[in-house]
Amino acid sequence: RKEVEQDPGPFNVPEGATVAFNCTYSNSASQSFFWYRQDCRKEPKLLMSVYSSGNEDGRFTAQLNRASQYISLLIRDSKLSDSATYLCVVNRGNQGGKLIFGQGTELSVKP
Amino acid sequence: EPEVTQTPSHQVTQMGQEVILRCVPISNHLYFYWYRQILGQKVEFLVSFYNNEISEKSEIFDDQFSVERPDGSNFTLKIRSTKLEDSAMYFCASSEARDRDDTFGSGTRLTVV
Repeated sequence: RKEVEQDPGPFNVPEGATVAFNCTYSNSASQSFFWYRQDCRKEPKLLMSVYSSGNEDGRFTAQLNRASQYISLLIRDSKLSDSATYLCVVNRGNQGGKLIFGQGTELSVKP
Repeated sequence: EPEVTQTPSHQVTQMGQEVILRCVPISNHLYFYWYRQILGQKVEFLVSFYNNEISEKSEIFDDQFSVERPDGSNFTLKIRSTKLEDSAMYFCASSEARDRDDTFGSGTRLTVV
């Protein structure tokens, strides 16, 4: 089983749509959770950290369910500029603190 | 905003040659990382470095790979004898603490021919 698994994409949505991404992780010892965004052939950039209480940043809402080992990202009122690959990322926090990436879900927002 | 700097942005090398990829992490960060991404695949962890030593490495990071922090600012990844399958984007990253997010550099695209 993959350590971090995401919805296979791509997601093609019209501008203004609401889109949700799902992610599961297999290691219950994982401590920190993030959503990164990656544009084509660019570096991953932190979109937001994910907390058990849920957190919101403008149009973006992230949720974490530790019991189910499930992470989600909701994008409301999607913009053309939201087109990118969204990466679910987990940090076990032990040893060197490496990040473990999901394979990413591609989002394409159309006019 | 502080950033991680990587050079070169693109390197083409012949199979069997040695390459050194260079990185300048964010100055107050303590943890340094190398990741790689083969075209069309996910980002994979290679190695983490803390307190002047490797703290963790993946199965990919075999004897052909080494890392060094030769001075107070640079962090390098050396591949001793490159193979075709080493062709990938190599990202350097740094973080303040081991359970925090990593800030990534813009990457070095390595092409082995």
